[in-house]
Formats: sequence, structure tokens, C-alpha cells
Amino acid sequence: QVQLVESGGVVVQPGRSLRLSCAASGFTFPSYGTHWVRQAPGKGLEWVAGISYDGNNQHYADSVKGRFTISRDNSKNTLYLQMNSLTAEDSAVYFCAKARGFQTSFDHWGQGTLVTVSS
Amino acid sequence: EIVMTQSPATLSVSPGERVTLSCRASQSVSGNLAWYQQKPGQAPRLLIYLVSTRATGIPDRFSGSRSGTEFTLTISSLQSEDFALYFCQQYNNWPLTFGGGTKVEMK
Repeated sequence: QVQLVESGGVVVQPGRSLRLSCAASGFTFPSYGTHWVRQAPGKGLEWVAGISYDGNNQHYADSVKGRFTISRDNSKNTLYLQMNSLTAEDSAVYFCAKARGFQTSFDHWGQGTLVTVSS
Repeated sequence: EIVMTQSPATLSVSPGERVTLSCRASQSVSGNLAWYQQKPGQAPRLLIYLVSTRATGIPDRFSGSRSGTEFTLTISSLQSEDFALYFCQQYNNWPLTFGGGTKVEMK
């Protein structure tokens, strides 16, 4: 069965950097686009970034553009999110999600990893 | 950016009732609209994509429809396990955007 397991969430100080990982299994990872979606405590869902199956296309929310970088290693079936210049507004649970294609709906989600930005 | 507006924010209903949730797009998203269900402490689950196609394993009491830029998720007879948060999402344009959500709670 499809599994997505996020890791890397911690408490980090404002201005610092953090890299999240998402290990995928149970499907042909190199064939699908994948995304990061975040959810601040008690709030709604915010799409953060998406990357095509081959890594050649990336898109970002305006709120993270220039600070976050999405990447993937298809040899390791792993998705990444490099987050720089973190602020308190970046505090959230970060979910990775498998897309049905790339610019499509998300048919499988991980359980999320919590990032807290606080001094 | 396309703004997705969901209404109402909260819906208080009883099991067995028919439930209608609305989602309006600020501009055309064509048929590229999905609905997700999220329960406390869990990841979202895909219910519907392409306006009205049920995802794998989703019971047929869930249905979706469209009128222009207005989208509707209908639960024909609410079951106890359907009390949750529901989000719509457009994937027609970058950035992809979600609605603010509708909480379906017990009356």
C-alpha cells in the first residue's frame, strides 16, 4: 500500500533553516508529482510547493517563494523541502502528498511532521 | 491567485440528514476541483476529484457537482463517521489553493 512518511520537524529558532524529508513506498515514486501542504494549528490547509515526477518543474506558494526549495531523489524514493529564513508564520504541520499526476488532486497523504519556529 | 470560499464555516447536523457544502471559486477553475475530508489528528483524505469522481473506496453517499464557479459536495445521509472538516481545492491554476474549510459537527 502507498506510504508517505515525513520526518525532520523540530523546534527551530526564527531565521534558521530546516530540511524536511518524505520517504515514499508502495508505488512507483518516479512516476508521480509530489507536493508539500502545511496546516497551522487549528487552521486550514495551505499548499506550499509541488514538484513534477522528474524534478524538472517546481511551483511555490508566494508565501514561501525564494525561501523554500522542493526537491526529490528518485533513486531514494524521497521528497525534500529545504526551508530557509524561517519565521513564526511557518509553524505548522507539514504534509507530503502524492498527486494523481502533477497539477492534480492529491490521492495519498503522509501523517505530517510538526515544525515550530520559536525563540 | 484563485480564492476558494467555502460556506458555511460550520454545519450542525444530525445523523441521517442530507448535507450540502458549498465552495465558490473567484474565477474559473474548469473541472479541476477536489474535495477532502479531515478528522482530528489525521491527514486529509481525498473524497472527490474532477468535480464529481469519487476516489477509491469512497462510499456513494458522497457526491459532487458544479454550476459555473460554484461547487457542491453532498452527503446524502450523514453517518457518524462523517463528522469532520471538509476542504475544497482547485488545481487548475498555480498556486494551487484550498478553501478555508467547513466543519460538520453533531447537532
